[in-house]
Amino acid sequence: GEDVEQSLFLSVREGDSSVINCTYTDSSSTYLYWYKQEPGAGLQLLTYIFSNMDMKQDQRLTVLLNKKDKHLSLRIADTQTGDSAIYFCAEFHAGKSTFGDGTTLTVKP
Amino acid sequence: GAGVSQSPSNKVTEKGKDVELRCDPISGHTALYWYRQSLGQGLEFLIYFQGNSAPDKSGLPSDRFSAERTGGSVSTLTIQRTQQEDSAVYLCASSLAAQSYEQYFGPGTRLTVT
Repeated sequence: GEDVEQSLFLSVREGDSSVINCTYTDSSSTYLYWYKQEPGAGLQLLTYIFSNMDMKQDQRLTVLLNKKDKHLSLRIADTQTGDSAIYFCAEFHAGKSTFGDGTTLTVKP
Repeated sequence: GAGVSQSPSNKVTEKGKDVELRCDPISGHTALYWYRQSLGQGLEFLIYFQGNSAPDKSGLPSDRFSAERTGGSVSTLTIQRTQQEDSAVYLCASSLAAQSYEQYFGPGTRLTVT
């Protein structure tokens, strides 16, 4: 079945760039996306990329997609303490989403 | 505007009891999803409803789990004879259509089975 994997933890200093990586197995994915979950809050869609794109930039966020290697990454430029959260990678196909286990990003001042 | 709401926000129950979790999706959203998030883990898909179509129940972990959606709106997830391993946060999400990637999540119900 489909599988999405990502590293569990990432720690960076405020002002540095953060890169969160994700791999997936379903080559039929139509969208891939990143959700952010802040402590005690629900998941919120952060950004997405269509499977026929290889890069998308949205302010401080850059998403890179390598379809050949089934690798997705999220880069956060100038990381702030407010970016501390759990980031979930997910792929979407035929009405269903498969989520990774989440990467906990800790931003140190 | 109103988002996805879930009730109760917290539920503590004894092993063996039945529980019902409720989800109110965003008005007009035809697709509704249930997920389970266990401590320190990702989201596990349970079931999804799209309009009047038969629900996709492929993620339900056992026959103790069932869900229904009345009138294409409110949904109830029922867990019968709860077990300690059922303890988790149960998340509901809705989207405009099944082919819409953007799901709007509710705050979840934290279920603790003692």
